[in-house]
Amino acid sequence: QLHLQESGPGLVKPSGTLSLTCSVPGGSITSSSYYWNWMRQPTGKGLEWIASIYYSGEKFFNPSLKSRVTISLDTSKGHFSLTMKSVTAADTAIYYCSRGRFLSYMDVWGKGTNVSVSS
Amino acid sequence: SYVLTQPPSVSVAPGQTAMITCGGDNIGIKNVHWYQQRPGQAPVVVVYDDRDRPSGIPERFSGSNSVNTATLTISGVEAGDEADYYCHVWDSSSDQVIFGGGTKLTVL
Repeated sequence: QLHLQESGPGLVKPSGTLSLTCSVPGGSITSSSYYWNWMRQPTGKGLEWIASIYYSGEKFFNPSLKSRVTISLDTSKGHFSLTMKSVTAADTAIYYCSRGRFLSYMDVWGKGTNVSVSS
Repeated sequence: SYVLTQPPSVSVAPGQTAMITCGGDNIGIKNVHWYQQRPGQAPVVVVYDDRDRPSGIPERFSGSNSVNTATLTISGVEAGDEADYYCHVWDSSSDQVIFGGGTKLTVL
């Protein structure tokens, strides 16, 4: 059973940059069958998709976040990453990474990591 | 951009059938996926491609999709089914992942 693991700082200062990594054990990160995703969920609210990346490097973004977000894939390290700049308190949320069947459902999710934006 | 509309809450007695809807413009031509999220946990897919179930998901969970509404049906609801449920599609016209706002299922 594949397990994804998010990692990164739990606290980021306002106007700073949030950086998260999702570790993908087992080598499937290079498979053409999957794409890799970041979502977030503020406390008590619904899921919000942030961005996705395919093994080829093709990227997709939520238009409302695109100007602040970078997503990348490091096949040598077996992980993919999210960077979000100019964060505010509104970016405080649980951040999830997931594996998706290409342009289809997300079959494996990480447990999520809490990120708080505060001075 | 494409919008998916779910009722905020659905309540059902144990043993009864719960139906959670997901409305969208011509959603019937898209593949709809459903996730269950229990409190404090990550989402888990319970139905994908409108009506298929991953291994390990009980047959009590089923899905349908037609015209402008997709539906997740949970038969013989149990206390353990109490959770938030989200629908999800890929919008090919804008190349975006779209989630519904979520429905909180309460088992009375």
